[in-house]
Amino acid sequence: QQQVKQSPQSLIVQKGGISIINCAYENTAFDYFPWYQQFPGKGPALLIAIRPDVSEKKEGRFTISFNKSAKQFSLHIMDSQPGDSATYFCAAISNFGNEKLTFGTGTRLTIIP
Amino acid sequence: KAGVTQTPRYLIKTRGQQVTLSCSPISGHRSVSWYQQTPGQGLQFLFEYFSETQRNKGNFPGRFSGRQFSNSRSEMNVSTLELGDSALYLCASSYNGGEQFFGPGTRLTVL
Repeated sequence: QQQVKQSPQSLIVQKGGISIINCAYENTAFDYFPWYQQFPGKGPALLIAIRPDVSEKKEGRFTISFNKSAKQFSLHIMDSQPGDSATYFCAAISNFGNEKLTFGTGTRLTIIP
Repeated sequence: KAGVTQTPRYLIKTRGQQVTLSCSPISGHRSVSWYQQTPGQGLQFLFEYFSETQRNKGNFPGRFSGRQFSNSRSEMNVSTLELGDSALYLCASSYNGGEQFFGPGTRLTVL
Protein backbone atom coordinates (compact mmCIF):
# COMPACT_ATOMS: atom_id res chain seq x y z
CA GLN A 1 0.00 0.00 0.00
CA GLN A 2 1.57 3.24 -1.16
CA GLN A 3 1.09 5.80 1.57
CA VAL A 4 2.82 8.73 -0.11
CA LYS A 5 1.89 9.60 -3.68
CA GLN A 6 4.27 11.86 -5.60
CA SER A 7 3.79 13.69 -8.88
CA PRO A 8 4.88 14.34 -11.50
CA GLN A 9 7.15 11.42 -12.31
CA SER A 10 9.34 13.69 -14.42
CA LEU A 11 9.57 17.44 -14.85
CA ILE A 12 11.39 19.70 -17.27
CA VAL A 13 11.78 23.35 -16.29
CA GLN A 14 13.64 26.19 -17.93
CA LYS A 15 16.52 27.79 -16.11
CA GLY A 16 15.23 30.53 -13.85
CA GLY A 17 11.76 29.02 -13.62
CA ILE A 18 9.90 27.53 -10.68
CA SER A 19 9.90 23.76 -10.20
CA ILE A 20 6.97 22.34 -8.28
CA ILE A 21 6.70 18.76 -7.03
CA ASN A 22 3.64 17.54 -5.19
CA CYS A 23 3.02 14.82 -2.65
CA ALA A 24 -0.10 13.50 -0.96
CA TYR A 25 -0.30 11.22 2.02
CA GLU A 26 -2.94 9.06 3.61
CA ASN A 27 -1.72 8.35 7.11
CA THR A 28 -2.79 11.21 9.38
CA ALA A 29 -0.30 9.99 11.97
CA PHE A 30 2.61 11.24 9.84
CA ASP A 31 4.27 14.11 11.66
CA TYR A 32 7.52 14.78 9.81
CA PHE A 33 7.87 15.38 6.08
CA PRO A 34 11.38 15.55 4.59
CA TRP A 35 12.44 16.02 1.00
CA TYR A 36 15.50 14.31 -0.38
CA GLN A 37 17.60 15.15 -3.43
CA GLN A 38 19.49 12.41 -5.21
CA PHE A 39 22.11 12.77 -7.93
CA PRO A 40 23.10 9.81 -10.11
CA GLY A 41 25.47 7.47 -8.32
CA LYS A 42 24.86 9.11 -4.94
CA GLY A 43 22.67 8.40 -1.97
CA PRO A 44 19.69 10.69 -1.25
CA ALA A 45 20.60 13.86 0.64
CA LEU A 46 18.23 15.57 3.05
CA LEU A 47 17.18 18.85 1.45
CA ILE A 48 14.51 20.38 3.66
CA ALA A 49 11.85 19.10 6.06
CA ILE A 50 8.67 20.32 7.70
CA ARG A 51 6.47 19.43 10.67
CA PRO A 52 2.66 19.74 10.29
CA ASP A 53 2.38 22.59 12.77
CA VAL A 54 3.62 25.05 10.12
CA SER A 55 2.25 25.72 6.63
CA GLU A 56 5.47 26.76 4.96
CA LYS A 57 9.20 26.46 5.41
CA LYS A 58 11.79 28.19 3.29
CA GLU A 59 15.50 27.52 2.98
CA GLY A 60 17.20 29.54 0.27
CA ARG A 61 15.57 28.75 -3.05
CA PHE A 62 13.71 25.74 -1.63
CA THR A 63 10.27 26.04 -0.03
CA ILE A 64 7.94 23.40 1.37
CA SER A 65 4.25 24.23 1.41
CA PHE A 66 2.11 22.09 3.67
CA ASN A 67 -1.68 21.70 3.65
CA LYS A 68 -2.68 19.57 6.61
CA SER A 69 -6.42 19.48 5.84
CA ALA A 70 -5.79 18.31 2.27
CA LYS A 71 -2.99 15.98 3.40
CA GLN A 72 -0.71 17.42 0.75
CA PHE A 73 2.70 19.00 0.68
CA SER A 74 4.85 20.33 -2.10
CA LEU A 75 8.39 21.40 -2.88
CA HIS A 76 8.98 24.63 -4.76
CA ILE A 77 12.38 25.39 -6.24
CA MET A 78 12.66 29.03 -7.15
CA ASP A 79 15.05 30.29 -9.84
CA SER A 80 15.77 26.71 -10.87
CA GLN A 81 19.35 26.05 -12.00
CA PRO A 82 20.92 23.28 -14.08
CA GLY A 83 22.65 22.07 -10.92
CA ASP A 84 19.21 21.34 -9.46
CA SER A 85 18.74 18.58 -12.03
CA ALA A 86 18.31 15.49 -9.89
CA THR A 87 15.68 13.09 -8.59
CA TYR A 88 13.62 14.39 -5.70
CA PHE A 89 11.84 12.21 -3.17
CA CYS A 90 9.26 13.28 -0.66
CA ALA A 91 8.90 11.19 2.46
CA ALA A 92 6.87 10.97 5.61
CA ILE A 93 7.29 9.43 9.03
CA SER A 94 5.06 9.07 12.04
CA ASN A 95 5.94 9.16 15.69
CA PHE A 96 9.25 10.85 14.89
CA GLY A 97 12.01 8.48 15.81
CA ASN A 98 10.03 5.29 16.19
CA GLU A 99 8.73 4.58 12.74
CA LYS A 100 10.18 4.07 9.29
CA LEU A 101 10.36 6.66 6.54
CA THR A 102 7.84 6.11 3.75
CA PHE A 103 9.04 7.51 0.43
CA GLY A 104 7.23 8.82 -2.58
CA THR A 105 8.13 7.35 -5.97
CA GLY A 106 10.44 10.18 -6.95
CA THR A 107 10.46 12.99 -9.52
CA ARG A 108 13.22 13.31 -12.06
CA LEU A 109 13.79 17.04 -12.51
CA THR A 110 15.67 18.39 -15.51
CA ILE A 111 16.53 22.07 -15.78
CA ILE A 112 17.18 23.18 -19.33
CA PRO A 113 19.06 26.34 -20.34
CA LYS B 1 31.76 14.91 11.02
CA ALA B 2 32.32 12.08 8.60
CA GLY B 3 29.24 10.96 6.73
CA VAL B 4 27.71 7.53 6.42
CA THR B 5 30.04 5.09 4.74
CA GLN B 6 29.09 1.88 2.98
CA THR B 7 31.29 -0.92 1.77
CA PRO B 8 31.74 -2.26 -0.75
CA ARG B 9 30.49 0.29 -3.27
CA TYR B 10 30.01 -2.27 -6.03
CA LEU B 11 29.42 -5.99 -5.92
CA ILE B 12 28.77 -8.64 -8.52
CA LYS B 13 27.40 -12.00 -7.45
CA THR B 14 25.72 -14.95 -9.08
CA ARG B 15 22.33 -16.44 -8.29
CA GLY B 16 22.30 -18.62 -5.20
CA GLN B 17 25.24 -16.90 -3.54
CA GLN B 18 24.98 -14.82 -0.43
CA VAL B 19 26.28 -11.32 0.22
CA THR B 20 27.06 -9.12 3.22
CA LEU B 21 27.00 -5.35 3.03
CA SER B 22 28.42 -3.03 5.65
CA CYS B 23 27.40 0.40 6.92
CA SER B 24 29.18 2.75 9.31
CA PRO B 25 26.85 5.46 10.60
CA ILE B 26 27.66 9.03 11.50
CA SER B 27 29.41 9.20 14.84
CA GLY B 28 26.85 9.43 17.64
CA HIS B 29 23.98 8.09 15.57
CA ARG B 30 22.33 5.04 17.09
CA SER B 31 19.79 4.18 14.40
CA VAL B 32 20.66 2.54 11.11
CA SER B 33 18.07 1.87 8.42
CA TRP B 34 18.48 -0.08 5.22
CA TYR B 35 16.67 0.56 1.94
CA GLN B 36 16.59 -1.12 -1.44
CA GLN B 37 16.37 1.17 -4.44
CA THR B 38 15.36 -0.09 -7.86
CA PRO B 39 14.05 1.77 -10.92
CA GLY B 40 10.75 -0.08 -10.75
CA GLN B 41 10.02 -0.10 -7.03
CA GLY B 42 11.73 3.08 -5.86
CA LEU B 43 13.00 3.26 -2.29
CA GLN B 44 11.80 0.31 -0.25
CA PHE B 45 12.43 0.07 3.47
CA LEU B 46 14.16 -3.14 4.58
CA PHE B 47 14.71 -2.74 8.32
CA GLU B 48 15.93 -0.44 11.03
CA TYR B 49 18.26 -1.18 13.90
CA PHE B 50 18.51 0.87 17.05
CA SER B 51 20.92 0.04 19.85
CA GLU B 52 21.60 -3.40 18.39
CA THR B 53 17.89 -4.32 18.18
CA GLN B 54 15.73 -4.52 15.10
CA ARG B 55 13.09 -1.89 15.71
CA ASN B 56 11.24 -1.84 12.38
CA LYS B 57 10.98 -4.24 9.49
CA GLY B 58 9.73 -3.87 5.95
CA ASN B 59 8.03 -6.42 3.73
CA PHE B 60 10.99 -8.38 2.47
CA PRO B 61 11.51 -12.14 2.63
CA GLY B 62 13.56 -13.75 5.33
CA ARG B 63 16.52 -14.01 2.94
CA PHE B 64 17.18 -10.41 3.90
CA SER B 65 18.59 -10.02 7.38
CA GLY B 66 20.69 -7.58 9.30
CA ARG B 67 22.38 -6.84 12.54
CA GLN B 68 23.90 -3.97 14.42
CA PHE B 69 26.99 -3.98 16.56
CA SER B 70 27.67 -2.19 19.81
CA ASN B 71 29.51 0.58 17.94
CA SER B 72 26.33 1.13 15.84
CA ARG B 73 27.92 -0.25 12.69
CA SER B 74 25.48 -2.41 10.80
CA GLU B 75 25.57 -5.22 8.28
CA MET B 76 22.89 -6.62 6.08
CA ASN B 77 22.97 -10.05 4.55
CA VAL B 78 21.11 -11.46 1.59
CA SER B 79 21.16 -15.21 1.19
CA THR B 80 20.31 -17.28 -1.87
CA LEU B 81 20.54 -14.32 -4.21
CA GLU B 82 17.99 -13.91 -6.98
CA LEU B 83 18.23 -11.83 -10.14
CA GLY B 84 15.59 -9.50 -8.72
CA ASP B 85 17.87 -8.62 -5.83
CA SER B 86 19.98 -6.49 -8.15
CA ALA B 87 19.61 -2.99 -6.73
CA LEU B 88 21.24 -0.11 -4.97
CA TYR B 89 21.26 -0.83 -1.25
CA LEU B 90 21.27 2.28 0.86
CA CYS B 91 22.03 2.70 4.49
CA ALA B 92 20.82 5.71 6.47
CA SER B 93 21.77 6.74 9.96
CA SER B 94 20.03 8.98 12.44
CA TYR B 95 20.22 9.78 16.10
CA ASN B 96 16.82 8.25 16.80
CA GLY B 97 15.21 7.24 13.48
CA GLY B 98 13.83 10.61 12.36
CA GLU B 99 16.13 12.86 10.37
CA GLN B 100 18.06 10.32 8.31
CA PHE B 101 21.34 10.74 6.47
CA PHE B 102 22.13 8.39 3.64
CA GLY B 103 25.34 6.77 2.55
CA PRO B 104 26.39 6.46 -1.11
CA GLY B 105 24.98 2.95 -1.36
CA THR B 106 26.23 -0.42 -2.52
CA ARG B 107 25.38 -1.34 -6.10
CA LEU B 108 24.65 -5.08 -6.15
CA THR B 109 24.41 -6.89 -9.46
CA VAL B 110 23.23 -10.49 -9.48
CA LEU B 111 24.06 -12.49 -12.60
